[in-house]
Order: sequence, then C-alpha cells, then structure tokens
Amino acid sequence: QVQLVESGGGVVQPGGSLRLSCAASGFTFSSYGMHWVRQAPGKGLEWVAFIRHDGSNQYYADSVKGRFTISRDTSKNTLYLQMNSLRDEDTAVYYCAKARTGNGNWFDPWGQGTLVTVSS
Amino acid sequence: DIQMTQSPSSVSASVGDRVSITCRASQGISSWLAWYQQKPGKAPKLLIYGASSLQSGVPSRFSGSGSGTDFTLTISSLQPEDFATYYCQQANNFPLTFGPGTKVDIK
Repeated sequence: QVQLVESGGGVVQPGGSLRLSCAASGFTFSSYGMHWVRQAPGKGLEWVAFIRHDGSNQYYADSVKGRFTISRDTSKNTLYLQMNSLRDEDTAVYYCAKARTGNGNWFDPWGQGTLVTVSS
Repeated sequence: DIQMTQSPSSVSASVGDRVSITCRASQGISSWLAWYQQKPGKAPKLLIYGASSLQSGVPSRFSGSGSGTDFTLTISSLQPEDFATYYCQQANNFPLTFGPGTKVDIK
C-alpha cells in the first residue's frame, strides 16, 4: 500500500536551515505530484508547497516563498523540503502528501509528519 | 488568495446524531473542494473530494454537497470513531487554503 515516511525534523535556531525528506513507496512516485502541508502546535492546516510529477513546476505559500525549496529525486522515490532562514512561526509538524491523482490538489494519503521546532 | 471559513467552530453531539458542517469560500471555486478528518496526534485523512465524491474506503454516512461558494459536510449518523476535527480545503487555485476546522466532540 502507499506509504509516506517523513524525516529530518528537529530543533533549529532562528535563521537556521533544515532539510526534510519524505520517502515514498507503494506507488509509481514519478507519476504523481507531491505536497507539503504543515500544522503549528494546536493550530489548523497550512499548505506549504507543491511539485509536479516531473519536477517541472513548483508552487509555494507566500509565507515560505524565497526561503523554502521543494524538490524530488525519482531515483530515490524521495521528496524534499529545504528550509532556510527559519523563523519562530515555522515551528510545526510538517506532512508530505501525495496528490490523489496525477498533479491534482487533493491530498491522499498523508505521511505521519515530522516536527520542526524553531527556537533559540 | 481564497479565504475559507467554517461553521460552527465546534459542535457537541451524541452517537447517532446527524451532524452538518458548513464551509464557505471567499470566491467561487466550482466544485474544487475537499473535506478531511483529523484525529488527535494523527495525520489528516481525505473524506470527500470534488465537493461530493466519497473517497474510497470512507463510510457512506459521510456525504458532501454544494458548489460555488457554499459547501456542506454531513455525517448522517455519528459513530464513536467520528469524533475528530474536520477541515475543508479549496483546490481551485494556488495557494491552496484550508478552513480553520470544526471540532466534533461528545455531548
């Protein structure tokens, strides 16, 4: 079955960098767009970024544009989120999610999430 | 950006009750709307997409309706496993946006 496993979260100081990974299995990774969605502690869901199945286009939330970069490695079936210039407000659980179909914008399924804490 | 609102923000209900949650978009999104269920400490789960299409494996007591700016998620007979927070999400254009959530808890 489809499985998404995030890793790379942790504690980082403001202004620092972190790279999240999402290992995908159980489906043809190269055929689907992929998303990152985050959730601050006790808060709602915020979409972060999307990359098309072939990596040809990326889209970002305004709150992370210019600081975060989404990428993918088809040879490793892995999605990435490079996060630079981190701020306190980036503290959240970060989920990767597969597009339900093709490059669609429904999220299914989701990984279990990885916690990023930005704190001095 | 398209803003999503939900009402109510929370609802207390009993097992067997019919529960409806509404979602409103700040501009028309046709049927580009999804509903997700999230339980504490867990990742969200897709319930409904395209405003009214039931995701595979989701019980038929869940249904969605609406188009344009106004949408509804209905649980026809609330079960113990349905106590959770529900989010709507618009997929009409980027940036994709979620509603603030509706918590369904036990009366």
